[in-house]
Amino acid sequence: QQQVKQSPQSLIVQKGGIPIINCAYENTAFDYFPWYQQFPGKGPALLIAIRPDVSEKKEGRFTISFNKSAKQFSLHIMDSQPGDSATYFCAASNTGKLIFGQGTTLQVKP
Amino acid sequence: SAVISQKPSRDICQRGTSLTIQCQVDSQVTMMFWYRQQPGQSLTLIATANQGSEATYESGFVIDKFPISRPNLTFSTLTVSNMSPEDSSIYLCSAGTVNSPLHFGNGTRLTVT
Repeated sequence: QQQVKQSPQSLIVQKGGIPIINCAYENTAFDYFPWYQQFPGKGPALLIAIRPDVSEKKEGRFTISFNKSAKQFSLHIMDSQPGDSATYFCAASNTGKLIFGQGTTLQVKP
Repeated sequence: SAVISQKPSRDICQRGTSLTIQCQVDSQVTMMFWYRQQPGQSLTLIATANQGSEATYESGFVIDKFPISRPNLTFSTLTVSNMSPEDSSIYLCSAGTVNSPLHFGNGTRLTVT
C-alpha cells in the first residue's frame, strides 16, 4: 500500500514533443505528490508538486494532472528540449517522508 | 529553499570497514531523511533522522548497520557499518520543514571493494 508505481521506464521524444509520465498510488492517506528531476551525478531536484485538492498545476513548461478518484497523477513536459533529458521521479507523502516511483529516463532528441 | 551539503561526495572503502557521511543544511529544518539509491534505480528510504532521539528505520534497515545521529536542526550523520560490496550505492540526505518541500543533497557515492 506504500508503493508508487511509475511508467514508462524510459521515454524518447523529439524536441518540441510532450512527454507524459504516469504514476499510480494505493494509499489514500497520501496528500502530497511531488515530481523530481535528476541529472547524472546530482541529487534529485524538485520540479513541481501538487496536493489532492486540485486537479492540475502548471509551472512553466511542466504540468501535473491529478485524478484523485483513480489515484493517479502524471507529469507533462510542454515543448520539451534536449536539456530536459534526465531521470524523472514521482513521489507521494503524507508524513513528510517521500515514497518514490521507479523513475523514468527521458531522452529528448534534437 | 534549503541548501544541503554532503561529505564526502564519494569514497572507495574496503570490506569490513565503516564510513560516516555528514549532511549539513544551511537553515534549520524540522525533517531530515536518509535515502539509498543503487545505480540506475529509484530512491529507497533508509530512516528518518530525529533531532535529539533515535532515528526511525524503515523495513529492511537496522540501527546496527546504519547508525544515524542528529544532534541539532541543521546536521545529521549516517554511518554505513561493516561494509560489504552490496552496500555500494549512492546515499542521499534530504531535508525540509512541514510547510516546504524536501530538498536533496548531491549524494555520497560509495564503492566497497
